[in-house]
Parts: sequence; structure tokens; C-alpha cells
Amino acid sequence: QLQLLESGPRLVKPSETLSLTCTVSGASTGSSSYYWGWIRQPPGKGLEWIANMYYNGRTYYNPSLESRVTIYVDTSRNQFSLKVGSVTAADTAVYYCARSYAGGSRSGTFDVWGQGTMVTVSS
Amino acid sequence: DIQMTQSPSTLSASVGDRVTITCRASQSISRWLAWYQQKPGKAPNLLIYKASNLESGVPSRFSGSGSETEFTLTISGLQPDDFATYYCQQYNGFSWTFGQGTEVAIK
Repeated sequence: QLQLLESGPRLVKPSETLSLTCTVSGASTGSSSYYWGWIRQPPGKGLEWIANMYYNGRTYYNPSLESRVTIYVDTSRNQFSLKVGSVTAADTAVYYCARSYAGGSRSGTFDVWGQGTMVTVSS
Repeated sequence: DIQMTQSPSTLSASVGDRVTITCRASQSISRWLAWYQQKPGKAPNLLIYKASNLESGVPSRFSGSGSETEFTLTISGLQPDDFATYYCQQYNGFSWTFGQGTEVAIK
């Protein structure tokens, strides 16, 4: 059964870099059938797509975050990761990793999500 | 960027009611729209894909319709388990955007 699990520091200082990793079990990050991505949700607010990555290394970013965000994959460990630089309190959120279909009628939908990890930006 | 606008932001309803949520896209997205349900403290759960296709395991009281820029999610016969927040999400040209969400609360 496919599972995604986020890991990383829960507390990050302002101006530093937030780093998270998503470990995938039950599927391969090297599959051409899916994108692997990150979505976040500030406390009490809605969902915001951050970035997606394809197995061939192609990356796609939310334009509002693109200058501070990097997504990359480690297929040998079946993991993908997110870095958000120069963080502020506005980056405080639950961060979810998720799988998105890359083709077919489900193209673009996020069908499997991690449980989410709360990251707080504070000194 | 494509913006997604949901309405209403909150609605109050009773068990058994028929509920409709609207999602509007700032430009045409054909039928590349999904709907999700989210409960407090949980990750979103996919309900509908490509505007009107029911995800496996989702009760048939959920249905979706629409195309281009206007879409609806309907819950026919609201059940206690359906009180949650619902999000639409578009996919167009390697860009993904969520609506701001609609909370369905108990009247």
C-alpha cells in the first residue's frame, strides 16, 4: 500500500532554510506515471500548492514561491525533498507531500497524501 | 496564474439536505478540476476528478459537474460524516491551484 511520510525540523528560525523530506513506500519516485509534490496549509487557512517534480527531474513551482523554493528527488532512497529559503512567520504551516497523476483522466489530481507535518517559523 | 474562487465560503446545512458548492476559474481549464474533502487535522481526500468522475470508494451522493470556468460539487442527502471543508483544485499547463475552501457546517 502506498504511503508517504514527511520528516524534518518542526521549528525553523526566521531567515533560515526550511528543509523537508518525503519518504515514499509502495511506489517508485522513478515512475513516469506521477508527479511528486508539496502542498502547505497555514493554521486555519486553505491549501497552497508549492511545487511538483517529475521523475526525469523536471520541476514546476508556484510562481509566488518560485524564487525561494527547490524541490528535488533522490530515487536511490525513494525520497523527494523541499527547501524553502529565507523563511518568515508567513511560512508557518502544515506541509503535506503528495502524489499527482501525470496523465490520463486523473491527470493533475493529488490522490495520495502524507499525514502532514507542522513547521513553525519562530526565533 | 489561474485563480480559483469558491462560493460560498461557509454554508450551514442539515442532515439530508442537498448542498451545492461552486468553483469558478479565472480562465478556461477545460474539465481539469478536482474536488477534495478535508476534516480537521487530516490530509485532504480526493472525491472527484476531471470535473465529474467519482473517485473509487467515494459515496455516490457526491457528484460534480461543469466545464471551462464554472464547476459545482453537489452532495445529495448530506450525512453526518460530510460536515467538513471542501476544496476545488485545477490543473492546467503544469500549474496547480486550489480554491480557498468551503466549510460545510451543521445548522
